Amino acid sequence: DAKTTQPPSMDCAEGRAANLPCNHSTISGNEYVYWYRQIHSQGPQYIIHGLKNNETNEMASLIITEDRKSSTLILPHATLRDTAVYYCIVSNNNNDMRFGAGTRLTVKP
Amino acid sequence: DVKVTQSSRYLVKRTGEKVFLECVQDMDHENMFWYRQDPGLGLRLIYFSYDVKMKEKGDIPEGYSVSREKKERFSLILESASTNQTSMYLCASSSRGAGGGYEQYFGPGTRLTVT
Repeated sequence: DAKTTQPPSMDCAEGRAANLPCNHSTISGNEYVYWYRQIHSQGPQYIIHGLKNNETNEMASLIITEDRKSSTLILPHATLRDTAVYYCIVSNNNNDMRFGAGTRLTVKP
Repeated sequence: DVKVTQSSRYLVKRTGEKVFLECVQDMDHENMFWYRQDPGLGLRLIYFSYDVKMKEKGDIPEGYSVSREKKERFSLILESASTNQTSMYLCASSSRGAGGGYEQYFGPGTRLTVT
């Protein structure tokens, strides 16, 4: 069973914020929410992860709802180079990262 | 920056050949992984290792073996390559994040074609 649900595709205008949603209604208390992205023909790239609190780093912000059943990855000022497939993963185990189909984000000029 | 390198970006081998895919990481990570990625199937874990000389099977270990003689190096071996092993192979290493959880860092991938 899929642990996360993401829209298959989204568009975003260059320079605007990209908000990528993820539903994980069956998340358990010790599972983290991870976000990775994969640019065409490259290996996945780690973006951010969190447990309960919102997190921010130089790449993105992660907003997790209070009930932890959903989250949003925010790219504050999307550029053309942010066009990629974005994966939302929930896991409490280093060797159990299940990469689903993800969301294909297209940033348009 | 963490760097994970893989020995080849593209590789073409014949059916029945023994194939070695090498992966090296420079961040002293204990954990290393091999995945394959196929259209419509996502990334699937083949093998992983938590320490030198230690290995664990992932979801699809059949037809593969691994070797970890040094902490920084994790090799994937196809004992007798078959056409159904044509795929993108991705190596990763991981460390524990400051706030808990793990951050996996991936190499660029090796696109293997078996003819």
